[in-house]
Amino acid sequence: QKEVEQNSGPLSVPEGAIASLNCTYSDRGSQSFFWYRQYSGKSPELIMSIYSNGDKEDGRFTAQLNKASQYVSLLIRDSQPSDSATYLCAVKGTADGLTFGKGTHLIIQP
Amino acid sequence: DAEITQSPRHKITETGRQVTLACHQTWNHNNMFWYRQDLGHGLRLIHYSYGVQDTNKGEVSDGYSVSRSNTEDLPLTLESAASSQTSVYFCASSQGTPDQPQHFGDGTRLSIL
Repeated sequence: QKEVEQNSGPLSVPEGAIASLNCTYSDRGSQSFFWYRQYSGKSPELIMSIYSNGDKEDGRFTAQLNKASQYVSLLIRDSQPSDSATYLCAVKGTADGLTFGKGTHLIIQP
Repeated sequence: DAEITQSPRHKITETGRQVTLACHQTWNHNNMFWYRQDLGHGLRLIHYSYGVQDTNKGEVSDGYSVSRSNTEDLPLTLESAASSQTSVYFCASSQGTPDQPQHFGDGTRLSIL
């Protein structure tokens, strides 16, 4: 069973600080990695995708991938109260479909 | 704007009944997926399709079926609803190769009494 692990939180971060979300995966054949944001009662919304080792930046968001360590992270700079949500790490491994972590609940404190 | 819509948004039914959840996308995506989301389990893949007449089983396919007669629609059928199938169901679609990002519909909250 291929797994994606995330700390469930809650992770509490002051407004304006950097929020760091982490994810590990078990399938060494994984090639595609995604971060989704999900507000309570809503559907997952794609924030970032990353396919190569290193960093990928998009506005306040940076995704980091280390395939050797089987580790992917999401940094949110200048955190805003509107960033409070559950963040889902998803991995496309050797099996079809995406394998999701259970999500990290992020709270940005004003 | 292109989109993916699910219907109904909420449904309550009884055990043993057949239930069909609709998913319709206007992006002309080849790939469509059904997931269920439960507390403590996260999102799990039920069935998926890579094109018309193509359907495949996912991780939790028992008790569910799908059919793909056109590009736009992938209905999910619960043949004989069970209380264990009470969940939130999400449809997603993507274009191109399977490693492309998936985009999700708004979900259907299904309660089976």
